[in-house]
Amino acid sequence: GQQLNQSPQSMFIQEGEDVSMNCTSSSIFNTWLWYKQEPGEGPVLLIALYKAGELTSNGRLTAQFGITRKDSFLNISASIPSDVGIYFCAGSRLMDSNYQLIWGAGTKLIIKP
Amino acid sequence: DGGITQSPKYLFRKEGQNVTLSCEQNLNHDAMYWYRQDPGQGLRLIYYSQIVNDFQKGDIAEGYSVSREKKESFPLTVTSAQKNPTAFYLCASNNPGLNSGNTIYFGEGSWLTVV
Repeated sequence: GQQLNQSPQSMFIQEGEDVSMNCTSSSIFNTWLWYKQEPGEGPVLLIALYKAGELTSNGRLTAQFGITRKDSFLNISASIPSDVGIYFCAGSRLMDSNYQLIWGAGTKLIIKP
Repeated sequence: DGGITQSPKYLFRKEGQNVTLSCEQNLNHDAMYWYRQDPGQGLRLIYYSQIVNDFQKGDIAEGYSVSREKKESFPLTVTSAQKNPTAFYLCASNNPGLNSGNTIYFGEGSWLTVV
Protein backbone atom coordinates (compact mmCIF):
# COMPACT_ATOMS: atom_id res chain seq x y z
CA GLY A 1 0.00 0.00 0.00
CA GLN A 2 0.94 3.63 -0.33
CA GLN A 3 3.15 5.11 2.34
CA LEU A 4 4.18 8.64 3.20
CA ASN A 5 7.85 9.60 2.97
CA GLN A 6 8.89 10.18 6.55
CA SER A 7 12.39 11.33 7.47
CA PRO A 8 14.72 10.87 9.06
CA GLN A 9 14.34 7.16 9.75
CA SER A 10 16.16 7.57 13.07
CA MET A 11 17.79 10.31 15.09
CA PHE A 12 20.50 10.18 17.75
CA ILE A 13 20.47 13.39 19.73
CA GLN A 14 21.76 14.85 22.97
CA GLU A 15 19.34 15.73 25.72
CA GLY A 16 18.35 19.37 25.36
CA GLU A 17 18.65 19.45 21.59
CA ASP A 18 15.81 20.40 19.30
CA VAL A 19 14.41 17.72 16.97
CA SER A 20 12.79 18.08 13.58
CA MET A 21 11.15 15.44 11.41
CA ASN A 22 8.88 15.62 8.40
CA CYS A 23 6.54 13.76 6.09
CA THR A 24 6.02 14.38 2.42
CA SER A 25 3.78 12.99 -0.28
CA SER A 26 2.89 13.51 -3.90
CA SER A 27 -0.78 13.49 -2.87
CA ILE A 28 -2.90 16.11 -1.15
CA PHE A 29 -4.30 15.42 2.30
CA ASN A 30 -7.16 16.94 4.31
CA THR A 31 -5.65 16.18 7.70
CA TRP A 32 -2.19 15.47 9.07
CA LEU A 33 -1.74 13.54 12.30
CA TRP A 34 1.34 12.95 14.44
CA TYR A 35 1.60 10.01 16.86
CA LYS A 36 4.20 8.75 19.32
CA GLN A 37 4.68 5.07 20.08
CA GLU A 38 6.61 3.75 23.04
CA PRO A 39 7.91 0.16 23.08
CA GLY A 40 5.15 -2.43 23.41
CA GLU A 41 2.37 0.16 23.40
CA GLY A 42 -0.10 1.53 20.90
CA PRO A 43 0.57 4.88 19.21
CA VAL A 44 -0.77 7.93 21.03
CA LEU A 45 -2.00 11.02 19.22
CA LEU A 46 0.22 14.07 19.73
CA ILE A 47 -1.11 16.68 17.33
CA ALA A 48 -3.84 16.83 14.68
CA LEU A 49 -3.76 19.42 11.88
CA TYR A 50 -6.87 20.22 9.86
CA LYS A 51 -6.04 23.25 7.68
CA ALA A 52 -3.30 24.05 5.22
CA GLY A 53 -0.76 26.35 6.84
CA GLU A 54 -1.97 25.51 10.35
CA LEU A 55 0.70 25.62 13.04
CA THR A 56 -0.21 23.87 16.29
CA SER A 57 1.69 23.38 19.52
CA ASN A 58 1.36 20.84 22.31
CA GLY A 59 3.84 21.70 25.04
CA ARG A 60 7.33 21.38 23.58
CA LEU A 61 5.91 19.93 20.35
CA THR A 62 5.01 22.01 17.33
CA ALA A 63 3.61 20.71 14.06
CA GLN A 64 2.65 22.39 10.80
CA PHE A 65 0.32 21.45 7.96
CA GLY A 66 2.21 22.37 4.77
CA ILE A 67 0.68 25.07 2.61
CA THR A 68 0.66 22.73 -0.41
CA ARG A 69 -1.21 20.11 1.72
CA LYS A 70 1.42 17.58 0.66
CA ASP A 71 3.68 17.76 3.70
CA SER A 72 3.92 18.27 7.44
CA PHE A 73 6.67 18.64 10.00
CA LEU A 74 6.98 18.00 13.72
CA ASN A 75 9.46 19.81 15.94
CA ILE A 76 10.37 18.93 19.52
CA SER A 77 12.20 21.59 21.47
CA ALA A 78 14.67 20.93 24.28
CA SER A 79 14.40 17.14 24.13
CA ILE A 80 14.24 15.11 27.35
CA PRO A 81 14.75 11.37 27.95
CA SER A 82 11.01 10.61 27.91
CA ASP A 83 10.81 11.85 24.32
CA VAL A 84 12.40 8.56 23.24
CA GLY A 85 10.12 6.53 21.01
CA ILE A 86 8.93 6.19 17.45
CA TYR A 87 7.06 9.09 15.90
CA PHE A 88 4.60 8.40 13.08
CA CYS A 89 2.91 10.79 10.72
CA ALA A 90 -0.38 9.99 9.02
CA GLY A 91 -2.28 11.78 6.29
CA SER A 92 -6.02 11.53 5.82
CA ARG A 93 -7.88 12.07 2.57
CA LEU A 94 -11.26 11.28 1.06
CA MET A 95 -10.98 8.70 -1.72
CA ASP A 96 -13.85 6.85 -3.43
CA SER A 97 -16.27 8.09 -0.72
CA ASN A 98 -14.08 6.60 2.02
CA TYR A 99 -11.66 8.33 4.36
CA GLN A 100 -8.24 6.85 3.77
CA LEU A 101 -5.40 7.07 6.27
CA ILE A 102 -1.84 6.75 4.93
CA TRP A 103 1.08 6.22 7.32
CA GLY A 104 4.73 7.16 7.34
CA ALA A 105 7.28 4.49 8.28
CA GLY A 106 8.21 6.26 11.51
CA THR A 107 11.12 8.23 12.96
CA LYS A 108 12.92 6.55 15.84
CA LEU A 109 14.22 9.05 18.37
CA ILE A 110 17.14 7.96 20.53
CA ILE A 111 18.70 10.23 23.12
CA LYS A 112 22.41 9.78 23.73
CA PRO A 113 23.35 9.58 27.41
CA ASP B 1 -12.72 4.51 31.49
CA GLY B 2 -13.34 5.14 27.79
CA GLY B 3 -11.05 3.56 25.30
CA ILE B 4 -10.03 0.59 23.24
CA THR B 5 -9.27 -2.68 24.99
CA GLN B 6 -7.26 -5.40 23.32
CA SER B 7 -6.78 -8.86 24.74
CA PRO B 8 -4.75 -10.83 25.36
CA LYS B 9 -1.62 -8.71 25.61
CA TYR B 10 0.58 -11.73 24.87
CA LEU B 11 -0.42 -14.82 22.93
CA PHE B 12 1.53 -17.85 21.79
CA ARG B 13 0.37 -19.91 18.84
CA LYS B 14 1.46 -23.31 17.71
CA GLU B 15 1.99 -24.03 14.05
CA GLY B 16 -1.29 -24.78 12.32
CA GLN B 17 -3.51 -23.18 14.94
CA ASN B 18 -6.02 -20.40 14.51
CA VAL B 19 -6.03 -17.73 17.19
CA THR B 20 -8.38 -14.82 17.81
CA LEU B 21 -7.43 -11.41 19.14
CA SER B 22 -10.13 -9.42 20.85
CA CYS B 23 -10.78 -5.69 20.40
CA GLU B 24 -13.53 -3.81 22.22
CA GLN B 25 -14.20 -0.08 22.18
CA ASN B 26 -16.62 2.03 24.23
CA LEU B 27 -16.01 5.26 22.34
CA ASN B 28 -19.12 4.82 20.17
CA HIS B 29 -16.90 4.88 17.09
CA ASP B 30 -18.32 3.68 13.79
CA ALA B 31 -15.08 2.48 12.23
CA MET B 32 -12.59 -0.04 13.54
CA TYR B 33 -9.23 -1.19 12.17
CA TRP B 34 -6.58 -3.86 12.61
CA TYR B 35 -2.92 -3.11 11.93
CA ARG B 36 0.13 -5.34 11.99
CA GLN B 37 3.51 -4.03 13.11
CA ASP B 38 6.73 -5.99 12.71
CA PRO B 39 9.72 -5.10 14.93
CA GLY B 40 11.21 -1.76 13.93
CA GLN B 41 8.64 -1.29 11.19
CA GLY B 42 5.62 0.87 10.51
CA LEU B 43 1.92 0.03 10.51
CA ARG B 44 0.28 -2.10 7.86
CA LEU B 45 -3.49 -2.29 7.53
CA ILE B 46 -5.00 -5.78 7.72
CA TYR B 47 -8.76 -5.17 7.74
CA TYR B 48 -11.11 -2.34 8.50
CA SER B 49 -14.81 -1.95 9.14
CA GLN B 50 -16.77 1.27 8.72
CA ILE B 51 -20.09 -0.08 9.90
CA VAL B 52 -21.57 -3.11 11.64
CA ASN B 53 -21.76 -6.26 9.49
CA ASP B 54 -19.42 -4.80 6.88
CA PHE B 55 -15.65 -4.93 6.53
CA GLN B 56 -12.99 -4.51 3.84
CA LYS B 57 -9.55 -5.95 3.24
CA GLY B 58 -6.55 -3.76 3.87
CA ASP B 59 -3.10 -4.13 2.38
CA ILE B 60 -2.18 -7.47 4.00
CA ALA B 61 -5.46 -9.35 4.59
CA GLU B 62 -4.28 -12.78 3.44
CA GLY B 63 -4.29 -15.30 6.28
CA TYR B 64 -6.55 -13.17 8.49
CA SER B 65 -10.30 -12.93 9.03
CA VAL B 66 -12.55 -10.55 10.95
CA SER B 67 -16.16 -10.07 11.94
CA ARG B 68 -18.17 -7.03 13.00
CA GLU B 69 -21.37 -8.28 14.59
CA LYS B 70 -21.49 -5.47 17.14
CA LYS B 71 -20.45 -1.84 16.88
CA GLU B 72 -18.10 -2.09 19.84
CA SER B 73 -16.34 -5.32 18.87
CA PHE B 74 -13.98 -6.22 16.00
CA PRO B 75 -12.16 -9.52 16.64
CA LEU B 76 -9.27 -10.59 14.41
CA THR B 77 -8.57 -14.26 13.69
CA VAL B 78 -5.07 -15.17 12.61
CA THR B 79 -5.52 -18.37 10.64
CA SER B 80 -3.09 -21.17 9.94
CA ALA B 81 -2.84 -19.78 6.41
CA GLN B 82 -0.84 -16.83 7.76
CA LYS B 83 2.68 -18.19 7.40
CA ASN B 84 4.51 -15.56 9.39
CA PRO B 85 2.13 -14.35 12.09
CA THR B 86 4.65 -13.33 14.75
CA ALA B 87 4.08 -9.58 15.16
CA PHE B 88 2.53 -6.83 17.25
CA TYR B 89 -1.15 -6.33 16.42
CA LEU B 90 -2.88 -3.01 16.95
CA CYS B 91 -6.61 -2.33 16.97
CA ALA B 92 -7.88 1.18 16.36
CA SER B 93 -11.15 3.04 15.94
CA ASN B 94 -12.57 6.40 14.91
CA ASN B 95 -15.51 8.28 13.50
CA PRO B 96 -14.39 9.14 9.96
CA GLY B 97 -15.48 12.51 8.68
CA LEU B 98 -14.42 16.02 7.88
CA ASN B 99 -15.13 17.25 11.40
CA SER B 100 -12.98 14.64 13.09
CA GLY B 101 -10.29 14.72 10.45
CA ASN B 102 -10.20 10.92 10.53
CA THR B 103 -8.26 11.04 13.82
CA ILE B 104 -7.70 7.46 14.87
CA TYR B 105 -7.24 6.03 18.38
CA PHE B 106 -5.32 2.87 19.23
CA GLY B 107 -5.52 0.09 21.75
CA GLU B 108 -2.42 -1.03 23.64
CA GLY B 109 -1.63 -3.84 21.24
CA SER B 110 -1.30 -7.61 21.37
CA TRP B 111 1.90 -9.55 20.86
CA LEU B 112 1.49 -12.80 18.94
CA THR B 113 4.35 -15.29 18.84
CA VAL B 114 4.47 -18.57 16.99
CA VAL B 115 6.13 -21.34 18.98
